Amino acid sequence: DAKTTQPPSMDCAEGRAANLPCNHSTISGNEYVYWYRQIHSQGPQYIIHGLKNNETNEMASLIITEDRKSSTLILPHATLRDTAVYYCIVSPNFGNEKLTFGTGTRLTIIP
Amino acid sequence: GAVVSQHPSRVICKSGTSVKIECRSLDFQATTMFWYRQFPKKSLMLMATSNEGSKATYEQGVEKDKFLINHASLTLSTLTVTSAHPEDSSFYICSARESTSLGSEQFFGPGTRLTVL
Repeated sequence: DAKTTQPPSMDCAEGRAANLPCNHSTISGNEYVYWYRQIHSQGPQYIIHGLKNNETNEMASLIITEDRKSSTLILPHATLRDTAVYYCIVSPNFGNEKLTFGTGTRLTIIP
Repeated sequence: GAVVSQHPSRVICKSGTSVKIECRSLDFQATTMFWYRQFPKKSLMLMATSNEGSKATYEQGVEKDKFLINHASLTLSTLTVTSAHPEDSSFYICSARESTSLGSEQFFGPGTRLTVL
């Protein structure tokens, strides 16, 4: 699996947009970009995933660069409940491929 | 999204005993489930891939005789920690992959916190 690089921590003011970057320069053609988050002492929660087009759902937006070597997860209006560790993972989107977690970004939303 | 449950949510046991953790996919069938372990302030580490009707595939360094995995149905996988010791105390998390026409997504259970005294 391709590896990802994320900043270890970030702060964001409540109500503002939180932009979380991820580098995945060795991503291969069949690998998707997945984002999960983990709130303290809970299992990871799926947020969004994409291949090369930008994606949006009720939780967040995913912006993938044209060369697919990096992406940004955007939480449009961060709330205190968005405080969590956010993981960016690349993996093929078929069959039973496992997800390999890196260290993630600890996002703290500040009141 | 799909729901994955785990039971129990937390367990405390004496050293030397065995503990069974259940992982269920509640609204979909999963031919494959995954077991992770997470130590405090660390990331999730994959322990093994559980395949329905066949033997589990263990990651390097994970003792298959200590962490027994059984995936007897399309909605249930169990992890048994045998002869548990204090160093086995950890947060154990399972996940299941749901395949749809749009590809597949992996959903995680809420985790089981094991404390071995």
